[in-house]
Amino acid sequence: EVQLVESGGGLVQPGGSLRLSCAASGFSFSDKWMSWVRQAPGKGLEWVANIKPDGSERYYVDSVKGRFTISRDNAKNSLHLQMNSLRAEDTAIYYCAKDLGSSRYDHWGQGTLVTVSS
Amino acid sequence: SYVLTQPPSVSVAPGQTARITCGGDNIGGYNVHWYQQKPGQAPVLVVYDNSDRPSGIPERFSGSNSGNTATLTISRVEAGDEGDYYCQVWDSRSDPAVFGGGTQLTVL
Repeated sequence: EVQLVESGGGLVQPGGSLRLSCAASGFSFSDKWMSWVRQAPGKGLEWVANIKPDGSERYYVDSVKGRFTISRDNAKNSLHLQMNSLRAEDTAIYYCAKDLGSSRYDHWGQGTLVTVSS
Repeated sequence: SYVLTQPPSVSVAPGQTARITCGGDNIGGYNVHWYQQKPGQAPVLVVYDNSDRPSGIPERFSGSNSGNTATLTISRVEAGDEGDYYCQVWDSRSDPAVFGGGTQLTVL
């Protein structure tokens, strides 16, 4: 059974940093593109970043470029999102998602809430 | 960037058919995926590549895509189908994943 479990969310002040993690199991993690998708309170889904299976390619939505870094540790079946210079508009539930291929997300974690507020 | 437009809400009586649309410029040239999200839960893929269903998704869920509109059709709607539905495409010219704004399905 595929499982994705996020952690690392919490309350942070504007300008602060957080590191999200996603522990993956039940599939060959090192073979799959992985993504982070977020959802602001009461709003829709927004793709944030994705990473190639070997970590050699990474892509970001414009609003987080230069502030967020996606990474992975295939030896530990884990995905990460380092978030720096956080802003109020980054407040959201962050989901990690397994890519079936061509950005089709067939499994999602339960999400972790990030709140940016003073 | 590519824009997908969904109606904010759709209402349907139990047992009837719900149709949720997703509009985009020549969306018929893209593969469209649909997600269901119930309150407080993560999204679930219900249709991918326009009309394919993942294992475990009832046959009541189907999809089509042509011209400037993709449609998710839910037949014999049940109370448990209530939730938000999002369409999504992969646009190689912009962001890897583009989502529509979502449609809230209400079962009357």
